[in-house]
Amino acid sequence: DGGITQSPKYLFRKEGQNVTLSCEQNLNHDAMYWYRQDPGQGLRLIYYSQIVNDFQKGDIAEGYSVSREKKESFPLTVTSAQKNPTAFYLCATAAVVNSPLHFGNGTRLTVT
Amino acid sequence: GDSVTQMEGPVTLSEEAFLTINCTYTATGYPSLFWYVQYPGEGLQLLLKATKADDKGSNKGFEATYRKETTSFHLEKGSVQVSDSAVYFCALSAGPGANSKLTFGKGITLSVRP
Repeated sequence: DGGITQSPKYLFRKEGQNVTLSCEQNLNHDAMYWYRQDPGQGLRLIYYSQIVNDFQKGDIAEGYSVSREKKESFPLTVTSAQKNPTAFYLCATAAVVNSPLHFGNGTRLTVT
Repeated sequence: GDSVTQMEGPVTLSEEAFLTINCTYTATGYPSLFWYVQYPGEGLQLLLKATKADDKGSNKGFEATYRKETTSFHLEKGSVQVSDSAVYFCALSAGPGANSKLTFGKGITLSVRP
């Protein structure tokens, strides 16, 4: 079954700790994206990668980091520098430039 | 920069009512336009798309027409069902030559009463 797996579904962390969110895909898509969703604000792009070993900052990259060592994987690290990390995080992929996105089911991160 | 504006929500309708959700955009070039739907606790799913002016996207009874003259892509459905209750996002993707990131509207929550 082809798809995008985000794990875990719910994640809890103490303030000041880094945390890594997993995103794995078996769709053989080149492009991968991380979005953050907050109530009333829609989706905002954090980072994206169009090819292995390359990635670009999105609109709200501060306090986040990513890596793209394999085509299948695009983990997102939420660092202690992110001032307001509690949110719903969505990973997405696309086959080629400008093709529709496929989304995972998201990870809800709560930092207290 | 590119932007998408959706009507304010939430929207509550009775089953079998007619639905219109407004979406307007600002973009340079010739964007592709999308509607995505998010059911509770899930990621987004592509509902329909249109890639050029006057194209009509349709799926599951929903329709939207790419209107370049009014820079709009309003979503319509003739008869909504309880199962249509979800959050709906309008989005655009910049045209050829640009990177492939999507710009989303803020989303609107639709609740359909039995």
